[in-house]
Amino acid sequence: LAKTTQPISMDSYEGQEVNITCSHNNIATNDYITWYQQFPSQGPRFIIQGYKTKVTNEVASLFIPADRKSSTLSLPRVSLSDTAVYYCLVGDILGNDMRFGAGTRLTVKP
Amino acid sequence: EAQVTQNPRYLITVTGKKLTVTCSQNMNHEYMSWYRQDPGLGLRQIYYSMNVEVTDKGDVPEGYKVSRKEKRNFPLILESPSPNQTSLYFCASSLGGVSDEQYFGPGTRLTVT
Repeated sequence: LAKTTQPISMDSYEGQEVNITCSHNNIATNDYITWYQQFPSQGPRFIIQGYKTKVTNEVASLFIPADRKSSTLSLPRVSLSDTAVYYCLVGDILGNDMRFGAGTRLTVKP
Repeated sequence: EAQVTQNPRYLITVTGKKLTVTCSQNMNHEYMSWYRQDPGLGLRQIYYSMNVEVTDKGDVPEGYKVSRKEKRNFPLILESPSPNQTSLYFCASSLGGVSDEQYFGPGTRLTVT
């Protein structure tokens, strides 16, 4: 089972780069790694997904080392509106043994 | 607008009174799923469906039922709710499965007294 572990909380300041790491030691060959963002009173929203190496989109980057036992979500130059809970999800396309992490509460301060 | 809708958004009920939470998506997605979210536990999958008439258990299926008679709808049924099912529930859908981008509904906050 790909159990996922994330830090419970992180603080940052506006304009800084934030890196949130998720540990998934038992990740399976067919598993993908996906990150979601959740604001209060809303459902989670997709941020980025990857399988290996590095993926970048307009809002974030995802770094996955060769052994794939961890992944790091990188948010460049955060703003107050990035204050949210961030979840990593590990699972294959069929949903076998899929696991959400418990979430990392990011607080961005002015 | 592409979206997942859930109803009701808030529900307070009593132990043992059957209830249904509806979920509907307008994106022609094959995959639909139900999650519950509890403080400190994150999101846990209850049931999922890969296609019409195909459903399977997630991590915490006890006390819940689902059906997928139409592609767009995936209702969650609590035949005899208990207080430990008090939680925030989310429905989600995606094109192909968990590893695809999932679109989440706004959530249903259920309280069972």
